Amino acid sequence: AQSVAQPEDQVNVAEGNPLTVKCTYSVSGNPYLFWYVQYPNRGLQFLLKYITGDNLVKGSYGFEAEFNKSQTSFHLKKPSALVSDSALYFCAVRDDNYGQNFVFGPGTRLSVLP
Amino acid sequence: EAGVAQSPRYKIIEKRQSVAFWCNPISGHATLYWYQQILGQGPKLLIQFQNNGVVDDSQLPKDRFSAERLKGVDSTLKIQPAKLEDSAVYLCASSPGGAGRQETQYFGPGTRLLVL
Repeated sequence: AQSVAQPEDQVNVAEGNPLTVKCTYSVSGNPYLFWYVQYPNRGLQFLLKYITGDNLVKGSYGFEAEFNKSQTSFHLKKPSALVSDSALYFCAVRDDNYGQNFVFGPGTRLSVLP
Repeated sequence: EAGVAQSPRYKIIEKRQSVAFWCNPISGHATLYWYQQILGQGPKLLIQFQNNGVVDDSQLPKDRFSAERLKGVDSTLKIQPAKLEDSAVYLCASSPGGAGRQETQYFGPGTRLLVL
């Protein structure tokens, strides 16, 4: 079965600095990887996904993520953080060998400090 | 394009009571999902529908939870009777097509349930 780890519960970064939110995964087949963001009292918003092709995926709000097959990672990045990026970030994976089940990581809380 | 709609947004009940949540997916989306998100955790899939058929309900506690999507559009999730550990946010999501693995899911705002 597939699984997702987000090794950091909390990430703090100063406004204007680059940010990274880490995600590692485990699948038996090929992974389909997603990042979602959750603001307080709101549902999850889609940021970006990796299906196949270029390992660097660009998404909404200036975010990007790099797929690294050898390290089984899909870290979320942004060159310059904004205070408004403060939220809860979830990585999710689907395994093409394991049917439809969509597994989320536990989430990482990002705080961007002014 | 209107997003996924859910109601109610908040619900407080006592244990052993029943509760129902409603979801209306994005128009034309064939696949609908219900997730449970316990505080401090990622969402966990409860059930997935494609049109009005169940694709995956392996993690649905069927002794107390039920869900239906009778006409292949909106859906209802019911808990009967509720337990304290059911306190969570219940998220509904939809995706456009045949539940393909690469499809993006679009989420509603969720229903926050508190069981006392």
